[in-house]
Amino acid sequence: DIQMTQSPSSLSASVGDKVTITCRASHGIYNYLAWYQQKPGKIPNLLISAASTLQSGVPSRFSGSGSGTDFTLTISSLQPEDVATYYCQKYNSAPFTFGPGTKVDLK
Amino acid sequence: QVQLQESGPGLMKPSETLSLTCSVSGGSITNYFWSWIRQPPGKGLEWIGFVYYTGNTIYNPSLKSRVTISIDTSMNQFSLDLRSVTAADTAVYFCARSDYSPHYYYPMDVWGQGTTVTVSS
Repeated sequence: DIQMTQSPSSLSASVGDKVTITCRASHGIYNYLAWYQQKPGKIPNLLISAASTLQSGVPSRFSGSGSGTDFTLTISSLQPEDVATYYCQKYNSAPFTFGPGTKVDLK
Repeated sequence: QVQLQESGPGLMKPSETLSLTCSVSGGSITNYFWSWIRQPPGKGLEWIGFVYYTGNTIYNPSLKSRVTISIDTSMNQFSLDLRSVTAADTAVYFCARSDYSPHYYYPMDVWGQGTTVTVSS
């Protein structure tokens, strides 16, 4: 099975900072990569599908890129409401494995 | 607006079978994939498996020997059975929806609120 890793596992940043999270697949998954945001005590929310397609209602400060094995989620200007854990997920084939998550909080 | 609601026992004993149901409201259960995902306390997300409205299923190999996911289109709900539970199965269990295409999978765009299951003697 394809394994998913994320880096860093956690980060602290200031409001307005640019934040970058990396997700890596152990084998190529084309662009079948999703990003989810899970705020503390809440359910996961789909932010990005197909590596770079922003879901309706998601602020434009979020963006995704990459294909194959290496992917990136970028928050262009961190806001207080972005404090959350971010998960990537492969969905090219089952099992639809999630990455271990990246916890983002405010400095 | 489709909504999902999980239901099931909150507390179980080791070796029992966990049975959860996800009720789908505000939309049809047909033409979608329906998944179960779990999240142990303080940990990440684990995809358990999904069922298509035809009843076809795919499971995570790590749980396949203990899992059955089924669907009841007449009741607009689908279910998870997890056999021989242990403390390691303690988690919040979510149900979720994915769009369907004959040639392409999609991620999960609608999630239930989750139900907490604790396995303890």
